[in-house]
Amino acid sequence: EVHLVESGGGLVKPGGSLRLSCAASGFTFSNAWMSWVRQAPGKGLEWVGRIRSNTDGGTIDVAAPLKGRFTISRDDSENTLYLQMNTLKTEDTAVYYCAADANYGFSFDIWGQGTMVIVSS
Amino acid sequence: SYVLTQPPSVSVAPGQTARITCGGNNIGSESVHWYQQKPGQAPVLVVYDDSDRPSGIPERFSGSKSGNTATLTISRVEAGDEADYYCQVWDSSNDHCLFGTGTKVTV
Repeated sequence: EVHLVESGGGLVKPGGSLRLSCAASGFTFSNAWMSWVRQAPGKGLEWVGRIRSNTDGGTIDVAAPLKGRFTISRDDSENTLYLQMNTLKTEDTAVYYCAADANYGFSFDIWGQGTMVIVSS
Repeated sequence: SYVLTQPPSVSVAPGQTARITCGGNNIGSESVHWYQQKPGQAPVLVVYDDSDRPSGIPERFSGSKSGNTATLTISRVEAGDEADYYCQVWDSSNDHCLFGTGTKVTV
């Protein structure tokens, strides 16, 4: 069965850092282009960024408002995706989902259950 | 970059048809994908590449596009279809992902 499981969320103070992980199973992770998507409480979906497969260059794109603070990496040997978040702000409070475009064009057909990040003093 | 605009809410009676629109300046040249999100759950892909359905999605869900407006149609609406729906594209000008503003469907 296909699974994405996020971890690493929690409470962090403004200005702090956090690294989220996303463990994949049930599909060929190394071939998948992986994204992070977040959702602030009561708000819509917001794309955070994407990392291509290493066979497609491993290019990383981060949403413009987050560039310089957030970065994405992957470890294909561990089937794991990462999101490094630095200089966190209260407005970064959200549920963070990892998502894969694995089977259906460039849509997100596999999603994790999400991990909550709360930035508060 | 541009904005994908959806109506905030759509209300529909059981058994009727719900139509959710997604408008954007360049949407006509991009592939549109649609997601359903129920409270407390992760989104689920219901339509990809404008009008295709992933495996396991009922035929009641269909997508179309005309000009710069994409439409998700839910036929024979059921109580279980009550959810938020989002459209999504990849902006070819900067290869960044855009989500629509979201539509709450009430049955």
